[in-house]
Amino acid sequence: GAVVSQHPSRVICKSGTSVKIECRSLDFQATTMFWYRQFPKQSLMLMATSNEGSKATYEQGVEKDKFLINHASLTLSTLTVTSAHPEDSSFYICSARDGTTYSYEQYFGPGTRLTVT
Amino acid sequence: GNSVTQMEGPVTLSEEAFLTINCTYTATGYPSLFWYVQYPGEGLQLLLKATKADDKGSNKGFEATYRKETTSFHLEKGSVQVSDSAVYFCALSDQGSNYQLIWGAGTKLIIKP
Repeated sequence: GAVVSQHPSRVICKSGTSVKIECRSLDFQATTMFWYRQFPKQSLMLMATSNEGSKATYEQGVEKDKFLINHASLTLSTLTVTSAHPEDSSFYICSARDGTTYSYEQYFGPGTRLTVT
Repeated sequence: GNSVTQMEGPVTLSEEAFLTINCTYTATGYPSLFWYVQYPGEGLQLLLKATKADDKGSNKGFEATYRKETTSFHLEKGSVQVSDSAVYFCALSDQGSNYQLIWGAGTKLIIKP
């Protein structure tokens, strides 16, 4: 149980275009989802926290107009990188927590490798 | 505020060696503690967790004990394998903020045959 999928696993896009990444909880209700960015050989950087049906809460320094997050259902959150630039190239990881429990445990997707050329 | 400090890597060991990866934390209240593992090119997987003082989490031969007196949650394994090569992250629950986790910097473990 507690599986989170992410799609696509890899994407290459041209500078100036937008890319959407999907994060789905397959067998539980994800009331809270998190989006992270991970640079090579570094830890996770939390970008934003989203609760189903609400606007996402962005961490300091993360541009909300550039990284659009939608969490419209209990099983799906999307991250759209708008007007992507090469510096947006990174490994993006989503996670979700089961809203039917009080646990802080997060279940992670496999990540999306974004390359902007 | 809350924080997690992990030993810096990489940690390089030979197969069947004993492993310790240190993790200490600063927190108010009574956080839950976690170890996550990230294999190359993959997302993170929960390795083990402990939700209260003196709890021992264990999985796949790894163990960690929640020590409130030393604010530590060190990861140990008696005999490592090449397949244990990965990055290990210690984390704690941030009870003030929307179920977020506070993450350590990660420790890369390299096991040589």
